[in-house]
Amino acid sequence: GEDVEQSLFLSVREGDSSVINCTYTDSSSTYLYWYKQEPGAGLQLLTYIFSNMDMKQDQRLTVLLNKKDKHLSLRIADTQTGDSAIYFCAERGGMTTDSWGKLQFGAGTQVVVTP
Amino acid sequence: DAGITQSPRYKITETGRQVTLMCHQTWSHSYMFWYRQDLGHGLRLIYYSAAADITDKGEVPDGYVVSRSKTENFPLTLESATRSQTSVYFCATLDGTSGSYEQYFGPGTRLTVT
Repeated sequence: GEDVEQSLFLSVREGDSSVINCTYTDSSSTYLYWYKQEPGAGLQLLTYIFSNMDMKQDQRLTVLLNKKDKHLSLRIADTQTGDSAIYFCAERGGMTTDSWGKLQFGAGTQVVVTP
Repeated sequence: DAGITQSPRYKITETGRQVTLMCHQTWSHSYMFWYRQDLGHGLRLIYYSAAADITDKGEVPDGYVVSRSKTENFPLTLESATRSQTSVYFCATLDGTSGSYEQYFGPGTRLTVT
């Protein structure tokens, strides 16, 4: 099957920028997502990028997409303690009968923000 | 309140028992999904449903059964629970009318099989 890989852990100091990286293998990916999971909670969509874009900015979040290298990153500017969570990268293929719009998730990156 | 709810939130059961996890949504989204979350694996899709009475297998369906007689409910049944099914289970819905095709997740059910 298709794979999505991301590093498992990131430690960052409060006020610094965080960069979480993700690689994927499905060249037919149409949308790529970043979800955030706080302790004891479900996943919440942070942001997404369509495959024909290479950058998207949303307040403190910047998503960069390199389609050639199948590399996705999420940058969080001025990281706060409330940003401590697990961040999941996910990719969605095209709406064919096989892919059905299903999401393929990475294993998640645990981000710990230290004061 | 509108949204997606799961019950129970926590469940401990014994090996061999049947257990059903409930998922309910108030949005009338057509698509619904069941995932399991395990350390190091991220989320893996168990079953999904495109509409009432339409279901299909995901990546890890063995040992699970689903049904969807009504749009708003999507129960997941473990027919004979095994220790390997100890996990956190998430239900999700998909808003197929939004441009982002965002999936909305429930709060999860933490299941322990002893």
